Amino acid sequence: AQTVTQSQPEMSVQEAETVTLSCTYDTSENNYYLFWYKQPPSRQMILVIRQEAYKQQNATENRFSVNFQKAAKSFSLKISDSQLGDTAMYFCAFMKGAQKLVFGQGTRLTINP
Amino acid sequence: EAGVAQSPRYKIIEKRQSVAFWCNPISGHATLYWYQQILGQGPKLLIQFQNNGVVDDSQLPKDRFSAERLKGVDSTLKIQPAKLEDSAVYLCASSSDSWAYNEQFFGPGTRLTVL
Repeated sequence: AQTVTQSQPEMSVQEAETVTLSCTYDTSENNYYLFWYKQPPSRQMILVIRQEAYKQQNATENRFSVNFQKAAKSFSLKISDSQLGDTAMYFCAFMKGAQKLVFGQGTRLTINP
Repeated sequence: EAGVAQSPRYKIIEKRQSVAFWCNPISGHATLYWYQQILGQGPKLLIQFQNNGVVDDSQLPKDRFSAERLKGVDSTLKIQPAKLEDSAVYLCASSSDSWAYNEQFFGPGTRLTVL
């Protein structure tokens, strides 16, 4: 069974700083997807960024980018020029094919003014 | 395009009572998921439907939880009888195809408190 581990329960940075959230996972699969989801206090889970395991190039979405290290089974999220609206719970998640999402425990990120 | 709808948003019940949650997925989405998110944890899949058939219910506590999606559109998740440990947010998600990757879109969730 796949497992996802986020070792940082909470993080806090000042507005405009860069922050990196860590995630490791365990799988015997070769083809899979990795995700970062954002969950603000409203509870709506929002997809931030997606990485296909077969792609060597790291995914980027505006201020969000990932560092995908397949051999090390590591998948970190970097948020550049952080904004107050980035304050939320962030979940790393794994998916094989079109099956269920397997989530990590989450990291609570606070952006301070 | 309307998102995934869930109701109610909040529910408070006493242990051993019954409760039901409703989800209406995005129009045309064949796959529907119910996740349970206990406070301080990531969501965990309870059941996955493809149209009105069950794809995965391996983590559904079948002695007390049941779910149906009779017409392949909206779905109901029921707990009977509820236990204290069922206090959680129940998230519904949908995607357009179960046989290939498609983004899962989440609803706002129902927060259940069992007293």
